[in-house]
Amino acid sequence: QKEVEQNSGPLSVPEGAIASLNCTYSDRGSQSFFWYRQYSGKSPELIMSIYSNGDKEDGRFTAQLNKASQYVSLLIRDSQPSDSATYLCAVRYNNNDMRFGAGTRLTVKP
Amino acid sequence: GAVVSQHPSWVICKSGTSVKIECRSLDFQATTMFWYRQFPKQSLMLMATSNEGSKATYEQGVEKDKFLINHASLTLSTLTVTSAHPEDSSFYICSARENEGAFFGQGTRLTVV
Repeated sequence: QKEVEQNSGPLSVPEGAIASLNCTYSDRGSQSFFWYRQYSGKSPELIMSIYSNGDKEDGRFTAQLNKASQYVSLLIRDSQPSDSATYLCAVRYNNNDMRFGAGTRLTVKP
Repeated sequence: GAVVSQHPSWVICKSGTSVKIECRSLDFQATTMFWYRQFPKQSLMLMATSNEGSKATYEQGVEKDKFLINHASLTLSTLTVTSAHPEDSSFYICSARENEGAFFGQGTRLTVV
């Protein structure tokens, strides 16, 4: 069973702080990893993808991947109230199957 | 990123009627599209995988005769909710994949009254 696990939250951080979102996956054959943001009542939108171990930065977002630990995270620096949303971790496997975590609800308080 | 367009964005229908939802990939061809359902404050639930030119693959527990999927071209998949009932009220989202990952349509809010 290919699993993608996320803490459902809610995760609450003050404005300006760093929000850290975590995700673990079960299949070592996983190739590609994605973070999506979903605002309430809207569909998910892709914000980051990462394929190799290490960090990948895009603006205030940093994705971190550790394949040995089967762990992928998303850091949001200088968190803003507009970052309040549910963040979905997704993993694509060798057979192109893609699985989503249940999502972590983030609230950034002004 | 790639663009996936879904229509309509919301629909209200009477119990017993059928509703068709369209999903189009606008700037790429998608041999495979995916249909999800999401209830309030719950995670995405994959309903079925739509395959161009062949039958859709349904997830366990999803009635194929109730949720009809047609993928007649490389850019269009449709989901028809037949004989809708209030318990079918939900947020339906389609998705297509490209190299950079999965891209989602805007979603369709279905309310059955």
